Amino acid sequence: EAGVVQSPRYKIIEKKQPVAFWCNPISGHNTLYWYRQNLGQGPELLIRYENEEAVDDSQLPKDRFSAERLKGVDSTLKIQPAELGDSAVYLCASSGQYLNTEAFFGQGTRLTVV
Amino acid sequence: QKEVEQNSGPLSVPEGAIASLNCTYSDRGSQSFFWYRQYSGKSPELIMFIYSNGDKEDGRFTAQLNKASQYVSLLIRDSQPSDSATYLCAVSNGNKLVFGAGTILRVKS
Repeated sequence: EAGVVQSPRYKIIEKKQPVAFWCNPISGHNTLYWYRQNLGQGPELLIRYENEEAVDDSQLPKDRFSAERLKGVDSTLKIQPAELGDSAVYLCASSGQYLNTEAFFGQGTRLTVV
Repeated sequence: QKEVEQNSGPLSVPEGAIASLNCTYSDRGSQSFFWYRQYSGKSPELIMFIYSNGDKEDGRFTAQLNKASQYVSLLIRDSQPSDSATYLCAVSNGNKLVFGAGTILRVKS
């Protein structure tokens, strides 16, 4: 069974440019998370989807970040415009029907804003 | 107070010893507890989960949960150099999954 797939693996952009990350969760997983991880820190939740509904986006900086999960399967996270402080690893994870089931991570996208 | 707290380490243990990693959490409504291992430059990998008070064993790993003390730990027996990584504790209250900052473990051969 395929795991969580993310692309691209690496991205380098200039500040003020837009960038998008894509995630395809494990088949059948209804819950999808986007986390951001800075060096030496744990993952911090940006947004959580249950199917196509964003049920927790309280930590998403909505002035520049947006996300969508059309048809309740794959998801896209966008930053526009990017700032230097957005440099981090963006992780996508998915889990089964209930939040208490374990979450599995994709390989992540390492974003560098210069 | 952080929702999930871990000692950042590094925790250094000799090969073959028991490594003990600890985590405390603030939300008494927490229901599920997870340990992830993260190698440098890689994404977190789930190694254990525990829902009930007590111990849960899986191979060389034992997770321990004490809800009254809001404390969860991970024991790694017969530690190997390949166990050297950052160990992340994650806690769920049914609405969100929150991670600690992780503990760096170094196993010296």
